[in-house]
Amino acid sequence: EDQVTQSPEALRLQEGESSSLNCSYTVSGLRGLFWYRQDPGKGPEFLFTLYSAGEEKEKERLKATLTKKESFLHITAPKPEDSATYLCAVQARSGGSNYKLTFGKGTLLTVNP
Amino acid sequence: ETGVTQTPRHLVMGMTNKKSLKCEQHLGHNAMYWYKQSAKKPLELMFVYSLEERVENNSVPSRFSPECPNSSHLFLHLHTLQPEDSALYLCASSQGPSGGYQETQYFGPGTRLLVL
Repeated sequence: EDQVTQSPEALRLQEGESSSLNCSYTVSGLRGLFWYRQDPGKGPEFLFTLYSAGEEKEKERLKATLTKKESFLHITAPKPEDSATYLCAVQARSGGSNYKLTFGKGTLLTVNP
Repeated sequence: ETGVTQTPRHLVMGMTNKKSLKCEQHLGHNAMYWYKQSAKKPLELMFVYSLEERVENNSVPSRFSPECPNSSHLFLHLHTLQPEDSALYLCASSQGPSGGYQETQYFGPGTRLLVL
């Protein structure tokens, strides 16, 4: 069974204080690993897809990296508007469903001014 | 309208009511999904439709009944729900069979459901 564990559950940073969120996964052949951002009362907003170990993607203050067992979302010099829940999900290469995403519980990030 | 839209955004219903949630995607995708998001739990996949055919039903109780009349619209019909069904219901879409390797799912804003 595919599993995704995100840590920490909650993270509080001061504005400008860089940090990383972790997503550990077990999957029967990785098809893709996805990062989403979710604001309160809204649907998840797509950030990145990573396909293979060693891959990195960047968007503004966010950088996602991938190894064979985990992914990190690095946040450089965060601003209060980066406050949100960050969700990680994996899609397996094998199995009956080509569409299923297995999500973690998310990391709630709060950035104080 | 752009992306994925959902109506209503909020819904309060009694256990004996019948209601429907609506989702519409404006992305030209062929696959659509219903997810349930409860507090402190990961998103749970409920149903998947690809080219208007149901391809996955994740052991969801029969009081939830999906309908996909075309590739742009998805409904979730609700009847005799329980209080534990209160949650945020999210619709998503992806390219589907023609998308090949990339199956990024794009989500709507959700319907916040409260069952009394």
